[in-house]
Amino acid sequence: DIQLTQSPSFLSASVGDRVTITCRASQGISGSLAWYQQKPGKAPKLLIYAASTLQSGVPSRFSGSGSGTEFTLTISSLQPEDFATYYCQQLNSFPLTFGGGTKVEIK
Amino acid sequence: EVQLVESGGGLVQPGGSLRLSCAASGFTFKDYWMSWVRQAPGQGLEWVANIKRDGSEKYYVDSVKGRFTISRDNAKNSVYLQMNSLRAEDTAVYYCARVQSYGLDVWGQGTTVTVSS
Repeated sequence: DIQLTQSPSFLSASVGDRVTITCRASQGISGSLAWYQQKPGKAPKLLIYAASTLQSGVPSRFSGSGSGTEFTLTISSLQPEDFATYYCQQLNSFPLTFGGGTKVEIK
Repeated sequence: EVQLVESGGGLVQPGGSLRLSCAASGFTFKDYWMSWVRQAPGQGLEWVANIKRDGSEKYYVDSVKGRFTISRDNAKNSVYLQMNSLRAEDTAVYYCARVQSYGLDVWGQGTTVTVSS
């Protein structure tokens, strides 16, 4: 099974900060990685797919990069509505797996 | 509007069974793979199962193999999760989601399953 390790697991930041979250895969997954945002009590929302493609309707301050085993999600200027938990997911092979999550909180 | 609505969650004793349903609307259901994902209280997301468009292929996480069965009825635009031999560690919010090759792009609101005596 492919393990995904996200870091950090917790992040405290201010509005306007640039934030970067890393997701490392235990083996190469090419570009088969998605990022999701989840707010408390809500279902996850797809943000980025194929490692770097922005889902329709997602603000351009979100971006993704990487391939193989290392991927990053960047928020260029953190907004109040971005405080949430972020998950990566690999779709390269079954079982599909998620990273452990990164909670972004207000400093 | 593209929508998924789950139902069927509840409180069940260890060893019991439950069947979750997910009703789809606003898109051509038979054209998509579907997925179940769960989230235990205070924990992260865990993929549970996928089913192909025509139901001919199914995949499961190891922890539910032999206990859970994913199925679908394209005439009713619905996907199901039959859960047997339930354990305390199956307690979670269960989401159904539409599968694209690149990610899960539509999610339901979730249904809560609690396994406890």
